[in-house]
Amino acid sequence: GNSVTQMEGPVTLSEEAFLTINCTYTATGYPSLFWYVQYPGEGLQLLLKATKADDKGSNKGFEATYRKETTSFHLEKGSVQVSDSAVYFCALEVTGGGNKLTFGTGTQLKVEL
Amino acid sequence: AAGVIQSPRHLIKEKRETATLKCYPIPRHDTVYWYQQGPGQDPQFLISFYEKMQSDKGSIPDRFSAQQFSDYHSELNMSSLELGDSALYFCASSSRTSGSYEQYFGPGTRLTVT
Repeated sequence: GNSVTQMEGPVTLSEEAFLTINCTYTATGYPSLFWYVQYPGEGLQLLLKATKADDKGSNKGFEATYRKETTSFHLEKGSVQVSDSAVYFCALEVTGGGNKLTFGTGTQLKVEL
Repeated sequence: AAGVIQSPRHLIKEKRETATLKCYPIPRHDTVYWYQQGPGQDPQFLISFYEKMQSDKGSIPDRFSAQQFSDYHSELNMSSLELGDSALYFCASSSRTSGSYEQYFGPGTRLTVT
């Protein structure tokens, strides 16, 4: 079956620190990979995506590269801000598998001044 | 740009009652997905519809049913509510016929069962 494993949180960083949130996956077929962000009390927002191996998704200073050889899609940002504090979900979608999203357990990020 | 609309945003019900959640997809989106997110949990897929037909089914209890109407809005009906049904229910929509499967999420309906 399909599954996503994320590093556990919470992750607490100082402003301007470097961020890495690890994500690995198991999938039957060829998945598309996503990072969603959920701010407190809000819904899920797509942060970035990659649809094939070696693709790099990027948005708002966040990046993630689809690594088929290591089945990973780690999220990185060079300099976090307090406003980045949120829960980050890694997810996959297998085309032909109904296109439903399978999420990881989420990683809470807290950025402090 | 128009987003996915969900109503109500908050709902409080008692055990054994019935609840109906509504979802209005982005205009011209033909596919609707429902997800359930328990407290501190990741969203779990419940069910999806494409062109008013059930497309896929996940871990949806038999007490729940859903449908997509001719105007593409969808309703999730939940009966015999249990305390464990307390969760955030998300609806997402996508445009499968355009070739893009990217899902756009609504703000969610927070259901509390007491």
